[in-house]
Amino acid sequence: NAGVTQTPKFQVLKTGQSMTLQCAQDMNHEYMSWYRQDPGMGLRLIHYSVGAGITDQGEVPNGYNVSRSTTEDFPLRLLSAAPSQTSVYFCASSSPQATRAEAFFGQGTRLTVV
Amino acid sequence: AQKVTQAQTEISVVEKEDVTLDCVYETRDTTYYLFWYKQPPSGELVFLIRRNSFDEQNEISGRYSWNFQKSTSSFNFTITASQVVDSAVYFCALSEAGGGAQKLVFGQGTRLTINP
Repeated sequence: NAGVTQTPKFQVLKTGQSMTLQCAQDMNHEYMSWYRQDPGMGLRLIHYSVGAGITDQGEVPNGYNVSRSTTEDFPLRLLSAAPSQTSVYFCASSSPQATRAEAFFGQGTRLTVV
Repeated sequence: AQKVTQAQTEISVVEKEDVTLDCVYETRDTTYYLFWYKQPPSGELVFLIRRNSFDEQNEISGRYSWNFQKSTSSFNFTITASQVVDSAVYFCALSEAGGGAQKLVFGQGTRLTINP
């Protein structure tokens, strides 16, 4: 069972560069989300999607873009990387069914912007 | 707005002691879900429990137990007879009504260290 797969696991970017963090899930979950984890701040929601073609902003969306063309994939794009985006990024998927309301998380991507 | 507060930033105990991690939440929703996740040193997030707002029964799973009290907006987590393998960062989280967990609001986390 692959679950939620994030790539890459580690990345170093220079300020101003752009890149895409990949996230794929094989559980046929409608819901997918991106979070960032910073020391002492827990995880904060960046963007989320409730289905293919539908995305919305979370708490900290600035500097990030998302799209959801398929149920399986939910890539996160950094448009012009800044040192403030140095963080650990987690992708999560979940089902809208109340009886299965649990978020499954990927292994995380540790991003450093220099 | 929803908010989750874990006032204990770090806790350190000796193995076999009992330890309670506090979680206080704020929400205007009448239907909501509360979660606990464990993040071991390896970094992944491990689901521990989900509780909906209509179920105030305490839950026990082995050495783990959870005390949900709507009157005090708290969802505390107790580890009995702690073990070194329990060392991790623990997060409490809240999701809005609708059943899904696509918009979790996390607390700041509590770093638990169990010393041998």
